[in-house]
Amino acid sequence: DAGVIQSPRHEVTEMGQEVTLRCKPISGHNSLFWYRQTMMRGLELLIYFNNNVPIDDSGMPEDRFSAKMPNASFSTLKIQPSEPRDSAVYFCASRRTGENEQFFGPGTRLTVL
Amino acid sequence: AQSVTQLDSQVPVFEEAPVELRCNYSSSVSVYLFWYVQYPNQGLQLLLKYLSGSTLVKGINGFEAEFNKSQTSFHLRKPSVHISDTAEYFCAVAGEKAAGNKLTFGGGTRVLVKP
Repeated sequence: DAGVIQSPRHEVTEMGQEVTLRCKPISGHNSLFWYRQTMMRGLELLIYFNNNVPIDDSGMPEDRFSAKMPNASFSTLKIQPSEPRDSAVYFCASRRTGENEQFFGPGTRLTVL
Repeated sequence: AQSVTQLDSQVPVFEEAPVELRCNYSSSVSVYLFWYVQYPNQGLQLLLKYLSGSTLVKGINGFEAEFNKSQTSFHLRKPSVHISDTAEYFCAVAGEKAAGNKLTFGGGTRVLVKP
């Protein structure tokens, strides 16, 4: 099993640019979670999906952030326009329905200049 | 809603010494509890979890944790650490009935094992 796959692993962009982070969950996992990790705020849940449907997006910081899950094997987190304060490590995690463990991807380190 | 407090942000410890990482939680409902480890530049990996049953839970790499409901704690311990245990450790809680079992994480404890 390849685990949760995230791309890119590192992204450096300039303020105002659009950023798209990608995640492929583990095959057979029905729930997908997007987290953000910063020194100041720690690990925060941004949004999660069950069976491709967004269930709770209350952690999404503002309208500049959007997430989609067009099918069971792919999700994107988009920031448009990006700002320096969005610099963080963004993690994707997936979970099989009925189980409790979330499996985390390696993360995308985003730097907005 | 749940919250998690990890009382120590950093714990320096010598190799082969024991270590205890403290975690306290608050919740109005029954919870599941987890400890995750994050090695440098990597994602989070599950160390152990408490769902029900025995309050002493054993995990990978020689770690164990004890659930104490009256003290709302879930402290992590290892009797003898190795250099390779240098990492950041996160305690997390999820409400039993919470849709999707959303995890709420503590602020993390950075463990530095010294030779």
